[in-house]
Amino acid sequence: DQQVKQNSPSLSVQEGRISILNCDYTNSMFDYFLWYKKYPAEGPTFLISISSIKDKNEDGRFTVFLNKSAKHLSLHIVPSQPGDSAVYFCAASAKTGANNLFFGTGTRLTVIP
Amino acid sequence: DVKVTQSSRYLVKRTGEKVFLECVQDMDHENMFWYRQDPGLGLRLIYFSYDVKMKEKGDIPEGYSVSREKKERFSLILESASTNQTSMYLCASSPGTGGKRNTIYFGEGSWLTVV
Repeated sequence: DQQVKQNSPSLSVQEGRISILNCDYTNSMFDYFLWYKKYPAEGPTFLISISSIKDKNEDGRFTVFLNKSAKHLSLHIVPSQPGDSAVYFCAASAKTGANNLFFGTGTRLTVIP
Repeated sequence: DVKVTQSSRYLVKRTGEKVFLECVQDMDHENMFWYRQDPGLGLRLIYFSYDVKMKEKGDIPEGYSVSREKKERFSLILESASTNQTSMYLCASSPGTGGKRNTIYFGEGSWLTVV
C-alpha cells in the first residue's frame, strides 16, 4: 500500500518558468517531509525538507509547501533551469516508529531550453 | 558533507552466485539502509539497521540479507543471485537523532546485472 503518492510520472516545463511537483500522502502520523533529486546513474540527493509544524520552507529557487488538511505537499522551482531536469522523489517519515522514509514513485522533470 | 560510499558501481554476476555489496558512511550516523530502485516502482526499502548488529526488514527483504558489524559499514548480501534482482542498489544513512534525524543521505548506487 503506497503511503506516499506522486501521481504525475512526468512533467515538462519551459526554461525560466515555474515547475510544480505534487505529492500526496495517506498516513496522518507523518510529520517530516523531504524532496530528493536524482540524476540517471546517480544516487538521490537531498533537496529540501519541511516539518509538519510549518506550511512553507524556502531555499533559493526551491520552495516546499505543506497542506496538512489535504495531506498534500508540493515543490516549486522558480525559475526552472535545464540542469533541474531529473527525477524528483518526495518522502515522508513518522514521529514514532522506525527511522525510515516512505518514498513516492518519482516524477521526471524535463526543463526545455 | 555526508559521504556514503558504495564499493562497486557496476557489477555483472551469474545466476546462483553469492553477491556482496558494501557500503561505508563517514558521518557517525546511527541508521543505515539498503534500497533498490526500479523504473516505475520508486525506491523500495530492503533492510535497514539502527545500531550495530541490529537489522530490520523493509518492504522487500526476500532473497537478501545484511550485516552490520561496525557502525560505519553496512553490507547487503544476495545469497543466490537471480535475474529478478537485476537493479540499482542504493545504500543510505541518516543521523537518527536531532532535528534532521530522518534525513537520509544516499550513496551513488551500485548497478547489478544478473545474467
